[in-house]
Amino acid sequence: GAVVSQHPSWVICKSGTSVKIECRSLDFQATTMFWYRQFPKQSLMLMATSNEGSKATYEQGVEKDKFLINHASLTLSTLTVTSAHPEDSSFYICSARDGRTAPNQPQHFGDGTRLSIL
Amino acid sequence: DAKTTQPPSMDCAEGRAANLPCNHSTISGNEYVYWYRQIHSQGPQYIIHGLKNNETNEMASLIITEDRKSSTLILPHATLRDTAVYYCIVRVANTGGFKTIFGAGTRLFVKA
Repeated sequence: GAVVSQHPSWVICKSGTSVKIECRSLDFQATTMFWYRQFPKQSLMLMATSNEGSKATYEQGVEKDKFLINHASLTLSTLTVTSAHPEDSSFYICSARDGRTAPNQPQHFGDGTRLSIL
Repeated sequence: DAKTTQPPSMDCAEGRAANLPCNHSTISGNEYVYWYRQIHSQGPQYIIHGLKNNETNEMASLIITEDRKSSTLILPHATLRDTAVYYCIVRVANTGGFKTIFGAGTRLFVKA
């Protein structure tokens, strides 16, 4: 089945550091990628949607200058949390789909990145 | 907002069938129903999806009512490893496509 790889799995860093998370589709071309965050005991919250080669579309309330998304190729998207602070600590999950084969194709998810800011 | 409603939690005995309901009364004619599950500290795992016919794969069966306003995910022989949060999703239209919005899901506890 479709595989989405996310790296790193865990990251711990000091406040003020910028952190980059990578999301790769390993066996399909991801025309669209999605980034979510999840706080403990809550559901996933969509942060932004990106189509390959285009600027990301951010959900209401998500700061685009804080969470930089790049989707420059059909197999790679990155999320950079700039100048991270403790309140940015969360579980970040990427997802990808190939919208070219059939519009009803499901999204596939990475295993998430647990970010802890000290 | 999510376009589906699910019970917050359910219990199931190991080896028995787990039937997870979902209401999606505002679904339109060409919208699919998707099911995912999330085991603790992992990303969501795709299970199954369908439009109007019942679907079955190696993981589960999906039963969609004739009016398409509700569906049921069936795990035929639940195991302890099926304990997870199960999400029923109808995608929301987005610029250039669709986006998946998660509701609260159903927390399934499979008990020995």
